[in-house]
Amino acid sequence: AQSVTQLGSHVSVSEGALVLLRCNYSSSVPPYLFWYVQYPNQGLQLLLKYTTGATLVKGINGFEAEFKKSETSFHLTKPSAHMSDAAEYFCAVSRGAAGNKLTFGGGTRVLVKP
Amino acid sequence: EAGVAQSPRYKIIEKRQSVAFWCNPISGHATLYWYQQILGQGPKLLIQFQNNGVVDDSQLPKDRFSAERLKGVDSTLKIQPAKLEDSAVYLCASSPDRQTYEQYFGPGTRLTVT
Repeated sequence: AQSVTQLGSHVSVSEGALVLLRCNYSSSVPPYLFWYVQYPNQGLQLLLKYTTGATLVKGINGFEAEFKKSETSFHLTKPSAHMSDAAEYFCAVSRGAAGNKLTFGGGTRVLVKP
Repeated sequence: EAGVAQSPRYKIIEKRQSVAFWCNPISGHATLYWYQQILGQGPKLLIQFQNNGVVDDSQLPKDRFSAERLKGVDSTLKIQPAKLEDSAVYLCASSPDRQTYEQYFGPGTRLTVT
């Protein structure tokens, strides 16, 4: 079985400060990992994904994440927060070749202060 | 390219009533998913279709929920009868096939059961 834990349901950052959202997973097989963003009253949009290869993954809007197998983590970062980054962020895992069913974490809501 | 379409966007019903949601995936996408997102939680997969066949419905409460994708294109999710705990956002997503790991999400239908 797979599971995802996102540490912190709410994060508050100042505009221009580092954004760090934490995600830890458990999976019995090599995982495929994803970060999605959800703006109010909208569906989820893919930020980035890790499947195989380079463990540092760059996504849209200046976000990146690093897959660390030894730590079972896939934390999301952005060097400088922008007001438009205020949204809810979801980490998800799938079982790769066994089918692409996604298991989501509980989400982290980001507030950006001017 | 048109995205995933869902209707209605909002629905308010009383408990024990029935309700139906409609989803039209991106043209050509063979795989279609329905997720339930309860407030404050990550989305949970209810059912996955490959063309017009069900791949995974292990988390669908089959005593009250049903879904179909008769022609392998658009899909309908029904709840009958609704309970208070069914209040949630119902998200539809699609992907080109089961081996494509990116899922494209619609805007969702927000259901309130009173």
